[in-house]
Amino acid sequence: NAGVMQNPRHLVRRRGQEARLRCSPMKGHSHVYWYRQLPEEGLKFMVYLQKENIIDESGMPKERFSAEFPKEGPSILRIQQVVRGDSAAYFCASSPGTLFYEQYFGPGTRLTVT
Amino acid sequence: DQQVKQNSPSLSVQEGRISILNCDYTNSMFDYFLWYKKYPAEGPTFLISISSIKDKNEDGRFTVFLNKSAKHLSLHIVPSQPGDSAVYFCAASAGDNFNKFYFGSGTKLNVKP
Repeated sequence: NAGVMQNPRHLVRRRGQEARLRCSPMKGHSHVYWYRQLPEEGLKFMVYLQKENIIDESGMPKERFSAEFPKEGPSILRIQQVVRGDSAAYFCASSPGTLFYEQYFGPGTRLTVT
Repeated sequence: DQQVKQNSPSLSVQEGRISILNCDYTNSMFDYFLWYKKYPAEGPTFLISISSIKDKNEDGRFTVFLNKSAKHLSLHIVPSQPGDSAVYFCAASAGDNFNKFYFGSGTKLNVKP
């Protein structure tokens, strides 16, 4: 029973390029969450998705960031025109349902913008 | 706007003794709380949770206490083991938006042999 998978584990982008982070939830999980962790800080909620639907994107920056969870395939967090401040660890989590379920985290993608 | 706070960035404990990690929150609407453990280069791992209808939840060596009036929760690990050395995050969610977790900044626990 594979856990939450994220790839790539490390991603280096130059300023202005696009970053695409992928997340495959645990088998049987239909809820996906993205978090960002800046150095020396806790995880900050970004977005909550179900298949083909964005449920809550209140933590997403208004510009350059987007997320999707298509009917088939992994969830994608896309960052356009990356800047140095986007350098962080991005974690994806999944859960089987809605009410009082713990979220299971992937190993994260460490994005470095040079 | 830090709604969940872990004011101790680090804690050092001798093996076999009790580790107490603390967490404070400001939002009185929070009614579900969790603790996660994180090793370097890995994602957080769920440890234990508590809902606001309880004031204590126990799972083996791990016990979480919730004091709603003080808006405070703590994680007790007894006895502490070197393998417990990790960063511990507390997280909270509110009933009207229970899928959105607010995390503290973490406490790095070091258990010395």
